[in-house]
Amino acid sequence: EAGVVQSPRYKIIEKKQPVAFWCNPISGHNTLYWYRQNLGQGPELLIRYENEEAVDDSQLPKDRFSAERLKGVDSTLKIQPAELGDSAVYLCASSAGENREQFFGPGTRLTVL
Amino acid sequence: QKEVEQDPGPLSVPEGAIVSLNCTYSNSAFQYFMWYRQYSRKGPELLMYTYSSGNKEDGRFTAQVDKSSKYISLFIRDSQPSDSATYLCAMKDSGGSNYKLTFGKGTLLTVNP
Repeated sequence: EAGVVQSPRYKIIEKKQPVAFWCNPISGHNTLYWYRQNLGQGPELLIRYENEEAVDDSQLPKDRFSAERLKGVDSTLKIQPAELGDSAVYLCASSAGENREQFFGPGTRLTVL
Repeated sequence: QKEVEQDPGPLSVPEGAIVSLNCTYSNSAFQYFMWYRQYSRKGPELLMYTYSSGNKEDGRFTAQVDKSSKYISLFIRDSQPSDSATYLCAMKDSGGSNYKLTFGKGTLLTVNP
């Protein structure tokens, strides 16, 4: 079974530029999460989806971050405009339900110059 | 004070050593305790999952939870070079936010052949 797929794996942009990350969860997983992992830190939840509905986006900086999960499968996380402090690894995870094991993708490593 | 405290290390041990990794926490609502392993440039993968106080063993790995002291541990016996990774503790409560994982910073472990 394929795991969680994320692309791109690495992205380098200049500050104030937009950037987007894509995630394809494990087939059949209706719950999808986006996390941010800063260097030397554990992942922190940004947003959780149940199917196509964002049910917890309390930690998402809404002034510059947005996310969508059209059709309840793939998801995209966007930052516009990016700031230096956004440099981090953005992890996508999925689970078969909100209280089930979360499976993580390899992440997208973002560097903002 | 952060909800979950974890010594980031780094920790370097010879092959075959017993490794002890620890986390403390302050939130009494945490009821579920996990250990994740994260290899370099990869996403975290679930290693151990415990609910109650006590020990849980899986092969060379033993997870220990002491709720009275708000302290959890992961022991690795007969450590191998392939165990070299960052180990993250994670916790969640049993209430309405029981999907939300709170991670420690992670401990970087190197097992030298």
